[in-house]
Amino acid sequence: KNQVEQSPQSLIILEGKNCTLQCNYTVSPFSNLRWYKQDTGRGPVSLTIMTFSENTKSNGRYTATLDADTKQSSLHITASQLSDSASYICVVSDRGSTLGRLYFGRGTQLTVWP
Amino acid sequence: EADIYQTPRYLVIGTGKKITLECSQTMGHDKMYWYQQDPGMELHLIHYSYGVNSTEKGDLSSESTVSRIRTEHFPLTLESARPSHTSQYLCASSGQDYNEQFFGPGTRLTVL
Repeated sequence: KNQVEQSPQSLIILEGKNCTLQCNYTVSPFSNLRWYKQDTGRGPVSLTIMTFSENTKSNGRYTATLDADTKQSSLHITASQLSDSASYICVVSDRGSTLGRLYFGRGTQLTVWP
Repeated sequence: EADIYQTPRYLVIGTGKKITLECSQTMGHDKMYWYQQDPGMELHLIHYSYGVNSTEKGDLSSESTVSRIRTEHFPLTLESARPSHTSQYLCASSGQDYNEQFFGPGTRLTVL
């Protein structure tokens, strides 16, 4: 069964600190993996996309890693800011359909305190 | 500016009412989607469309219906709302790269 599991479910850190969010997936055949940021009451916004051959990709203070062998990904946030408070969702797509089938994790709720 | 819009953003209605959630995109995308999301839970696909006059049901069974008469417009209708329909509804669209979906801001629906 294609699944995406994220940990931790929630996380509280102090402003300026770093944190790492985890994503494990069983989606096959794998196409790509995206990390989305979803602010409360808003739709998800894409942060990074990683394909099978990519190990690391950065977008400002966000750095995503992918280990396609172990089917694990992480999102590292450096020097956190209050505006980073949001839900971070790991989304994996498969190559098996023309629709663009996406498998969503439940997200990690990050809270950054001043 | 190319974007995807949803209205209303918030809606509180009584049981039995008929409602339509609007979704429009100005990105020229062929594919559009409706997702349902409960707090702390993953997004569930309830409807999708490949293009004009194309509508399909998603993975999660839903009593809602959709239509796609124009490329840019993909409204969702509930003929008789119930408290179990209380949720957030997210609309999305994708272009040639169907794996990259762009999401609207969502409609938070509460049925009393």
